[in-house]
Amino acid sequence: GAGVSQSPSNKVTEKGKDVELRCDPISGHTALYWYRQRLGQGLEFLIYFQGNSAPDKSGLPSDRFSAERTGESVSTLTIQRTQQEDSAVYLCASSEGRVQPQHFGDGTRLSIL
Amino acid sequence: EDKVVQSPLSLVVHEGDTVTLNCSYEVTNFRSLLWYKQEKKAPTFLFMLTSSGIEKKSGRLSSILDKKELFSILNITATQTGDSAVYLCAVGDREGTYKYIFGTGTRLKVLA
Repeated sequence: GAGVSQSPSNKVTEKGKDVELRCDPISGHTALYWYRQRLGQGLEFLIYFQGNSAPDKSGLPSDRFSAERTGESVSTLTIQRTQQEDSAVYLCASSEGRVQPQHFGDGTRLSIL
Repeated sequence: EDKVVQSPLSLVVHEGDTVTLNCSYEVTNFRSLLWYKQEKKAPTFLFMLTSSGIEKKSGRLSSILDKKELFSILNITATQTGDSAVYLCAVGDREGTYKYIFGTGTRLKVLA
């Protein structure tokens, strides 16, 4: 596609529920990143995929967070047993390679009640 | 621990003013520095800097990197209300899988 596409754009759910966020990167981009941005804060790195290499999961805040990506296509970020502190905008970015600039999607605004 | 610090945290100016935003960093093995503009949603890419002393320019925006003193500046001349946004700086290192570390951003508001 023309840009990075994320869905849903907004998600409101109750504490304790699981949520799944989707990212469709720019076609041909081998690198894919997930970030979390809390209100008024910078971007917090969560996870990084590069081609078929093992992902860098060093930014995932707890074992409730997981992400998958099949090849160089769509990625999903799953948060299990959501907590109120998970409320944030979750941004996905892709790039042509590890040393190329990242292009961001519009994000998913997650609100946990 | 690697870190990126941006200053000022926020700035209010009038149209026509010139602003300078700062980004200082500490990373183990510097690879590149990126500037982004974030209005309501997705950050949009502005500049990528890898070498010291070479100015990158796009219209009224310009940026330069100093790898000795470990900082970069983003200049905006003749500011317009459309420049109002959060400006993010990110630094990538060569360790591991080349992830980027973002600063908290500078919130710029340009008044008419």
